[in-house]
Amino acid sequence: QQQVKQSPQSLIVQKGGISIINCAYENTAFDYFPWYQQFPGKGPALLIAIRPDVSEKKEGRFTISFNKSAKQFSLHIMDSQPGDSATYFCAASRSEYSSASKIIFGSGTRLSIRP
Amino acid sequence: EAGVTQFPSHSVIEKGQTVTLRCDPISGHDNLYWYRRVMGKEIKFLLHFVKESKQDESGMPNNRFLAERTGGTYSTLKVQPAELEDSGVYFCASSLGQGFHEQFFGPGTRLTVL
Repeated sequence: QQQVKQSPQSLIVQKGGISIINCAYENTAFDYFPWYQQFPGKGPALLIAIRPDVSEKKEGRFTISFNKSAKQFSLHIMDSQPGDSATYFCAASRSEYSSASKIIFGSGTRLSIRP
Repeated sequence: EAGVTQFPSHSVIEKGQTVTLRCDPISGHDNLYWYRRVMGKEIKFLLHFVKESKQDESGMPNNRFLAERTGGTYSTLKVQPAELEDSGVYFCASSLGQGFHEQFFGPGTRLTVL
């Protein structure tokens, strides 16, 4: 049973366009929602993260939108660039401040930005 | 500062053989995690060390997998005997001590079992 569902599996966007990746989760105990970016031959790297007490977080061209009631969150990449071509993973975690916590990942979206 | 390193980067073995993967976390990171991604699916948690102790091994698939972290520094993940379904990319991640901290991932070891 997949706790974090991610779509689409792959996405092709023209340079300058908006890339949108969607995720949904099941467990309402999750309270930390990171997005990871992975380039070929590299490990996933934290891109941006949000907690459920806010509905949106923006860092440069990257924005997370969060809908707590629907248990959905999404990543928007504005003005997409060829350098953004990578695999993106949404994820969720229960952040327990007495100990570090495992991350539950979505299945990944392979994003290609066409010049 | 060096990031998380993993060795080997690739391993091809036959079914029934043994393979040992190694992870060197960022210096000073008490938390060490192993994850696995199989055939384009989600990255799945395997286990979590705090220093040399296993904090959570709920993701270990079966007793063919053995993880160790002697001395609380580097960790090894041994698969014995390997099966076809063990093929995938094994990631190691580390994070600082108490409290919630970002996990930094290594580049992964791609394991192929033939």
